[in-house]
Amino acid sequence: KAGVTQTPRYLIKTRGQQVTLSCSPISGHRSVSWYQQTPGQGLQFLFEYFSETQRNKGNFPGRFSGRQFSNSRSEMNVSTLELGDSALYLCASSLEYRGAATDTQYFGPGTRLTVL
Amino acid sequence: AQSVTQLDSHVSVSEGTPVLLRCNYSSSYSPSLFWYVQHPNKGLQLLLKYTSAATLVKGINGFEAEFKKSETSFHLTKPSAHMSDAAEYFCVVSDRRGTDKLIFGTGTRLQVFP
Repeated sequence: KAGVTQTPRYLIKTRGQQVTLSCSPISGHRSVSWYQQTPGQGLQFLFEYFSETQRNKGNFPGRFSGRQFSNSRSEMNVSTLELGDSALYLCASSLEYRGAATDTQYFGPGTRLTVL
Repeated sequence: AQSVTQLDSHVSVSEGTPVLLRCNYSSSYSPSLFWYVQHPNKGLQLLLKYTSAATLVKGINGFEAEFKKSETSFHLTKPSAHMSDAAEYFCVVSDRRGTDKLIFGTGTRLQVFP
């Protein structure tokens, strides 16, 4: 079974631009979560989607948004990019909404975004 | 609220010697605890998880961790390090209600010397 895939793997943008990242979960997985990883802040939760609905959200500004499609694929968008948005953005999928508590998240390789 | 503290930012061992990566947690509810590994330029891979079954959890690649409620610890161990174990390791906590997100520790970078 194919793992979580993220596209693109690398991205370079300039300040003020916007960017869209894509995540395809493992087949059959219905929950998708997004994380930002930076050297200074570590791994931080962005948001989680299940059945096309945002179920949980981290402490990020409104410039960060996401959505999930009926096939469980997810996209996240960052508008008005800032230098501090440079990071590795990781997507993770799980079978069900994490309310199951025991559900394991499987991570993709990430998209490395560089903002110049 | 949940939190997790990885007590060492860097750990260095020689190949063939034991590995100990330390993690303490704080949780208002019975936690689920995880260890993930991240190799350079790769995503995170689940090593093992604790969800209130056996307190000694065995994972992949010879790793195991023991949940100690009295010490609020979930240390990761491996009897004999291999060069391929060199990576960053994250201890993660999540409360059982599932209403909270995963909380990641700051990571421990493991170096393995020949």
